Amino acid sequence: AQSVAQPEDQVNVAEGNPLTVKCTYSVSGNPYLFWYVQYPNRGLQFLLKYITGDNLVKGSYGFEAEFNKSQTSFHLKKPSALVSDSALYFCAVRDGDNFNKFYFGSGTKLNVKP
Amino acid sequence: GAGVSQTPSNKVTEKGKYVELRCDPISGHTALYWYRQSLGQGPEFLIYFQGTGAADDSGLPNDRFFAVRPEGSVSTLKIQRTERGDSAVYLCASSLLPRHTDTQYFGPGTRLTVL
Repeated sequence: AQSVAQPEDQVNVAEGNPLTVKCTYSVSGNPYLFWYVQYPNRGLQFLLKYITGDNLVKGSYGFEAEFNKSQTSFHLKKPSALVSDSALYFCAVRDGDNFNKFYFGSGTKLNVKP
Repeated sequence: GAGVSQTPSNKVTEKGKYVELRCDPISGHTALYWYRQSLGQGPEFLIYFQGTGAADDSGLPNDRFFAVRPEGSVSTLKIQRTERGDSAVYLCASSLLPRHTDTQYFGPGTRLTVL
């Protein structure tokens, strides 16, 4: 069955420090992986996606993510966190055998302290 | 350009009533998706339209839920005989094509509260 796991409900980092938000997935076909960010009372905003090619994907606002096929992971990273990065982050996977729908993780709340 | 819009932003209704939630996708996007997001959870797929037809409605929880997209653009999610458990944020998304590479762009959602 297709699924996404975000093992941390919350991640706390200090401004200027690197951040990592973890995501692991399970699909039957080829995975197509996405990260979205959600600010309070707002919809999900697209950050980046992995389709094929280079395992390191760069996206909006200085975020990047690394696809690791052997570990079935797609962790979100940023070298230097900003207070304005504080939000809810969702990992999503689309199954290559049935790409009609996304499967979302439960979300990770990122808190960046000044 | 304009993104995905959803109306109303908030809807409060009483148990047993009928509600309609509207989604206006990005112009030119052929694929449209509805998701439901409960508190503390990620969005869950409800239904997907390619053009005017519902290509995949496997996520609709029961026959009280129905969605239409009569002209291949605006979509309406309809919920009959609402129950308290239907309370959630209903998200709409659209993509240019239903390809596995295409990004889904989400609207701000409609927060439905059933009293």
